[in-house]
Amino acid sequence: GESVGLHLPTLSVQEGDNSIINCAYSNSASDYFIWYKQESGKGPQFIIDIRSNMDKRQGQRVTVLLNKTVKHLSLQIAATQPGDSAVYFCAENEMGGADGLTFGKGTHLIIQP
Amino acid sequence: DTAVSQTPKYLVTQMGNDKSIKCEQNLGHDTMYWYKQDSKKFLKIMFSYNNKELIINETVPNRFSPKSPDKAHLNLHINSLELGDSAVYFCASSRDSYNSPLHFGNGTRLTVT
Repeated sequence: GESVGLHLPTLSVQEGDNSIINCAYSNSASDYFIWYKQESGKGPQFIIDIRSNMDKRQGQRVTVLLNKTVKHLSLQIAATQPGDSAVYFCAENEMGGADGLTFGKGTHLIIQP
Repeated sequence: DTAVSQTPKYLVTQMGNDKSIKCEQNLGHDTMYWYKQDSKKFLKIMFSYNNKELIINETVPNRFSPKSPDKAHLNLHINSLELGDSAVYFCASSRDSYNSPLHFGNGTRLTVT
C-alpha cells in the first residue's frame, strides 16, 4: 500500500533556533494530515492538523505547510525549547477513509542547550 | 482527568498465555482504535471500531481480537502470545472515523518471554 514517510530520522537544533521537520507522502487521495509529538513513555500527542484545501496553518509556535503538488508536508517549530525534544510523526488519512491514520516513521528532534 | 486511559501500563507474560489490555475514553468519541508501535517506533493500525463496525487491518493475526462492551471502551484480547507480539500497544479515540484527530492513551508495553 501507499505510505507516509519522513526524510530524516534525527534532527538536532540549538535551543532558541527554529526547526523544520519534513514528511513525504505518496497517497494522492490523502486529504487530511496531522503532526504528532511523542515523548518518551507517552502516547502520541496532537500538535496541529491541516486539510488538503489549505497549504498553511499556524498554531502556537508551530506552522504546518502542505505542498500537494509534490506531496510534501512540513512542521516548523519556532524558538525551540528543551521541552520540544521528542519524536515527531506525520500522519495522513484519505477522504472517507474509516481505517484510522497512516503514520510516517518518525523524526527524533533533539534540542541542544 | 485522563482522556484515554489504558491498563496495564506494563505487561510481562510468557509465550502461549492469553492476556487483555483495557482501554477507556471519556471524550464522548464515536470511534476507537488500537495501534501497535514496534521497536523502531513505527505505529501501525490494528483495528478501528465505530458504532459496532469493526475494521480490521488484514495483517493482524486472528489471535488478536477487540471487544467493545460500550462506546467508551475498547479492550484488546490476545490469545497464544508469541515473542513477536512484544511491542507497545496504544489505544486511541476520535470524534468520527475520518478527518478528526486521534487522541492516544499512554500505551501498554507488552513483553513476551
